Amino acid sequence: DQQVKQNSPSLSVQEGRISILNCDYTNSMFDYFLWYKKYPAEGPTFLISISSIKDKNEDGRFTVFLNKSAKHLSLHIVPSQPGDSAVYFCAASGSNSGYALNFGKGTSLLVTP
Amino acid sequence: DTAVSQTPKYLVTQMGNDKSIKCEQNLGHDTMYWYKQDSKKFLKIMFSYNNKELIINETVPNRFSPKSPDKAHLNLHINSLELGDSAVYFCASSQDLRPYGYTFGSGTRLTVV
Repeated sequence: DQQVKQNSPSLSVQEGRISILNCDYTNSMFDYFLWYKKYPAEGPTFLISISSIKDKNEDGRFTVFLNKSAKHLSLHIVPSQPGDSAVYFCAASGSNSGYALNFGKGTSLLVTP
Repeated sequence: DTAVSQTPKYLVTQMGNDKSIKCEQNLGHDTMYWYKQDSKKFLKIMFSYNNKELIINETVPNRFSPKSPDKAHLNLHINSLELGDSAVYFCASSQDLRPYGYTFGSGTRLTVV
């Protein structure tokens, strides 16, 4: 049972444009959400997070939006840069799961010059 | 100075063998984890340890046994390896049990032939 879903396996965006990566979750007990970025042959690196008490968190070019009623979150990257090309994983966590991270399958982002 | 280091990076072994993957973190974190990324790219929690105490033990065959000699190390021993164990195994650490600021290792690609 996949509790975190990223339904777009890949996304291609032109440099300078906005990249929007989407994530849906099913477990209403999740109260903390994170985005990780992963390059080939490396481990995931933390990008940005949001608590369930907020609906938006911004860090530089990266903004995460949370819609709890829809159980949906999204990551916006503006402006997109070629160095942003990587696999992006959405993850969710809650006290009822011992705060383990439940990951989505990832979305491969390609930013073209 | 790698924050979370795993060895080996690649491991090819025959079915039925016993192998170990080592993990060390120099971040002073209290909690360490093992995650498995299977062929479908799902990243799933296997184990977590907090101050050498087992916290999470997901539905993992008992051929997999984590060992934490101290809070900076969490090793993974796998007995009687099977073809289905082929995956990338990621070690991670966090300051405490909360999901903030996970740091992942670069992964160990295990191939069972």
